[in-house]
Amino acid sequence: GESVGLHLPTLSVQEGDNSIINCAYSNSASDYFIWYKQESGKGPQFIIDIRSNMDKRQGQRVTVLLNKTVKHLSLQIAATQPGDSAVYFCAENIPGGFKTIFGAGTRLFVKA
Amino acid sequence: DTGVSQNPRHKITKRGQNVTFRCDPISEHNRLYWYRQTLGQGPEFLTYFQNEAQLEKSRLLSDRFSAERPKGSFSTLEIQRTEQGDSAMYLCASSLVGQGDTQYFGPGTRLTVL
Repeated sequence: GESVGLHLPTLSVQEGDNSIINCAYSNSASDYFIWYKQESGKGPQFIIDIRSNMDKRQGQRVTVLLNKTVKHLSLQIAATQPGDSAVYFCAENIPGGFKTIFGAGTRLFVKA
Repeated sequence: DTGVSQNPRHKITKRGQNVTFRCDPISEHNRLYWYRQTLGQGPEFLTYFQNEAQLEKSRLLSDRFSAERPKGSFSTLEIQRTEQGDSAMYLCASSLVGQGDTQYFGPGTRLTVL
């Protein structure tokens, strides 16, 4: 079916360490993937995206990796800061449709 | 602040009442989306507009739900005869065709049905 899931519901890291948040998707036809960050009481905030014709994309302190062979997506956050504490969602778009399918999210805790 | 605004931010209502939420997208965005989010879950797609046309509706959108975008700018989502199961965060997002269609979300309206 069409679903996006996450391997871990929570992740706790030390400030300054790198964080890796993983995501598995099930629809091999998906061609666009997005990572969102959601803080308490706020709507999801776009972080970074990647299209299916790419394996890696880098932003400021964030990197998204896409492995289409195993249908896996990951978000790497370098030098994690307390302000990175939030719930992170991966999401996918399927060609021909207009909706974005979200996973359940991973909560990231950053310890000072 | 993404530029997408939603009102009200919070709504408490009694079961059986009707409620209406408003979303003002980023001004040049031609696509507008509504999602519902419950605690601990990711947003679930409800419906989508391109300009004023409602192009897709989820099966989650029962007959008690209706959405409009009459002039292709702001949108309203109405829930009639609310039920306790309607309690959730209702999120609006907008995007612009041709700019990757990245969706920018508003802060949401939290609905509590007593």
